[in-house]
Amino acid sequence: AQSVTQLGSHVSVSEGALVLLRCNYSSSVPPYLFWYVQYPNQGLQLLLKYTSAATLVKGINGFEAEFKKSETSFHLTKPSAHMSDAAEYFCAVSYSGGSNYKLTFGKGTLLTVNP
Amino acid sequence: EAGVTQFPSHSVIEKGQTVTLRCDPISGHDNLYWYRRVMGKEIKFLLHFVKESKQDESGMPNNRFLAERTGGTYSTLKVQPAELEDSGVYFCASSQDSTTSGGAGDFEQFFGPGTRLTVL
Repeated sequence: AQSVTQLGSHVSVSEGALVLLRCNYSSSVPPYLFWYVQYPNQGLQLLLKYTSAATLVKGINGFEAEFKKSETSFHLTKPSAHMSDAAEYFCAVSYSGGSNYKLTFGKGTLLTVNP
Repeated sequence: EAGVTQFPSHSVIEKGQTVTLRCDPISGHDNLYWYRRVMGKEIKFLLHFVKESKQDESGMPNNRFLAERTGGTYSTLKVQPAELEDSGVYFCASSQDSTTSGGAGDFEQFFGPGTRLTVL
């Protein structure tokens, strides 16, 4: 069985500060890992994904995440927060079950960016 | 290219009534997924279609939920009769067939904006 734990349901940073959103996963097989973002009144948008290639993954809007197998982690970072980064972020895990790549999500982290 | 669309965006119904949610995936996407987020909880998988066939419906809560995908295009999710605990946001997502999308890993799921269902 797979599971995802996102530490901190709410993270608040100042504009220009480092953003660090934590994600730990549990999977009995090599996982595929994702970060999604949901802006207010919008659907989920893929930020980045890890699919067993490079362990440091770069995504859109300056975000990146590093897959650390020994720590079962896939934390999301951005060097400098922007006001437009305020949104809810979801970490998710999947694996190949035939053609079914259903996602298992964490509970989400709401990011607030203060001016 | 049009994205995944869902209708309605909001629905408010009374306990015991029936509601049907619709999802139009991206054209050409064989895979269609339904997910649900109940307030305060994580987004949870409901079921997965490959074309018109149900591949996995292990996440469906109970037999009050019925999903269909006639002709392998749009999908509907019917809740009958609705209960208070069915309230939440229902998301639909679609993806290409993994055998044609570049192989394992290249199977991004594109999400719709969701339908917010409130059962009173």
